[in-house]
Amino acid sequence: EAGVTQFPSHSVIEKGQTVTLRCDPISGHDNLYWYRRVMGKEIKFLLHFVKESKQDESGMPNNRFLAERTGGTYSTLKVQPAELEDSGVYFCASSQPGTSGINEQFFGPGTRLTVL
Amino acid sequence: AQSVTQLGSHVSVSEGALVLLRCNYSSSVPPYLFWYVQYPNQGLQLLLKYTSAATLVKGINGFEAEFKKSETSFHLTKPSAHMSDAAEYFCAVEAGGYQKVTFGTGTKLQVIP
Repeated sequence: EAGVTQFPSHSVIEKGQTVTLRCDPISGHDNLYWYRRVMGKEIKFLLHFVKESKQDESGMPNNRFLAERTGGTYSTLKVQPAELEDSGVYFCASSQPGTSGINEQFFGPGTRLTVL
Repeated sequence: AQSVTQLGSHVSVSEGALVLLRCNYSSSVPPYLFWYVQYPNQGLQLLLKYTSAATLVKGINGFEAEFKKSETSFHLTKPSAHMSDAAEYFCAVEAGGYQKVTFGTGTKLQVIP
């Protein structure tokens, strides 16, 4: 079974440009999460989808970030316009409720975004 | 609200020595606790998880962690370090209900031959 995949693996853009990151969760997983790690800091939560609905977007930094999950499958995270402080590694994770009640999130390899 | 504190951003051990990575948590509800590992140029991989079934949790690659409620700790240990254990380790907590996971700042483990 394929794991969580993210595209691209690396992106280098200039300040003011737009970048779109994509995440494909594990097939059948209703929960999809975005996290970000800015260099030297902790991994921080951005938002959580349940199917196509935003369950929690309390971690989104500002309105330059837009996440979508049309159809409840893959998700995109768009940054427009990008700023220098947006540089970091963006992780996507997915999970599916199970009988144990434990939310084991499976993480993708991340997208390293560099804004120059 | 929950939080995680990892003591030591960098830990160095000799090959064959005990590995001890410290994690303390704060949670307003009984937490679910996790340790993740990130090897160079790879994504996050789950090492082990605390599910309240047992306080001593065994994970992959010989790692284990003990949940101590009285100390609000969930330290990660491995009896004998191997060169392949060199990676960054993250302690994490989730309050339940399929909510977000809150991570610690990470500990980079260096294994010295």
